[in-house]
Amino acid sequence: GEDVEQSLFLSVREGDSSVINCTYTDSSSTYLYWYKQEPGAGLQLLTYIFSNMDMKQDQRLTVLLNKKDKHLSLRIADTQTGDSAIYFCAEIGGGYNKLIFGAGTRLAVHP
Amino acid sequence: DAGITQSPRHKVTETGTPVTLRCHQTENHRYMYWYRQDPGHGLRLIHYSYGVKDTDKGEVSDGYSVSRSKTEDFLLTLESATSSQTSVYFCAISDPGLAASYNEQFFGPGTRLTVL
Repeated sequence: GEDVEQSLFLSVREGDSSVINCTYTDSSSTYLYWYKQEPGAGLQLLTYIFSNMDMKQDQRLTVLLNKKDKHLSLRIADTQTGDSAIYFCAEIGGGYNKLIFGAGTRLAVHP
Repeated sequence: DAGITQSPRHKVTETGTPVTLRCHQTENHRYMYWYRQDPGHGLRLIHYSYGVKDTDKGEVSDGYSVSRSKTEDFLLTLESATSSQTSVYFCAISDPGLAASYNEQFFGPGTRLTVL
């Protein structure tokens, strides 16, 4: 079966950059996503990248895509305490927009 | 925020009892999904629907059934709940026909189910 892999925990100091990594399995995925889940809440789309792009920047967020290695990363610049959450990498798996999620990376931001 | 509600938000039940979770949307999206979230597993797809009365199984469908009799409602039923079904359940919606949707899925707030 398909498997999206992420490291489970990341701890950073406030103001530093955070980098969350993900490996995916389906080289034909058209979109790859980063979702954010705050405590007690559902998931919200943070950003996405189309498969023909290598990089996408959106304010403090930078997404890098290495299709050869099937590696996706999310960089958060100037990490704030409000960025503390679980971040999920996801790819489209099959028809009807079904998503395959990684296990999620819990980001803890400390002073 | 997309108009998605889930009910109940919390439920405690006993092993062997039937449980039905409801997802309601006001966005008229065609596709609806049920996921379960467990530590170390992320979200796993239970069942999905691609239209009224059109449903199919996801990767962890055993012990679950679904129904979609109208566009706005997607029901998840545990016919006989087991402790392994203790989890947080999320409903999601999407519609690839929407312009600039990036095939995004919008998520409900979740239902925390405990089976004793």
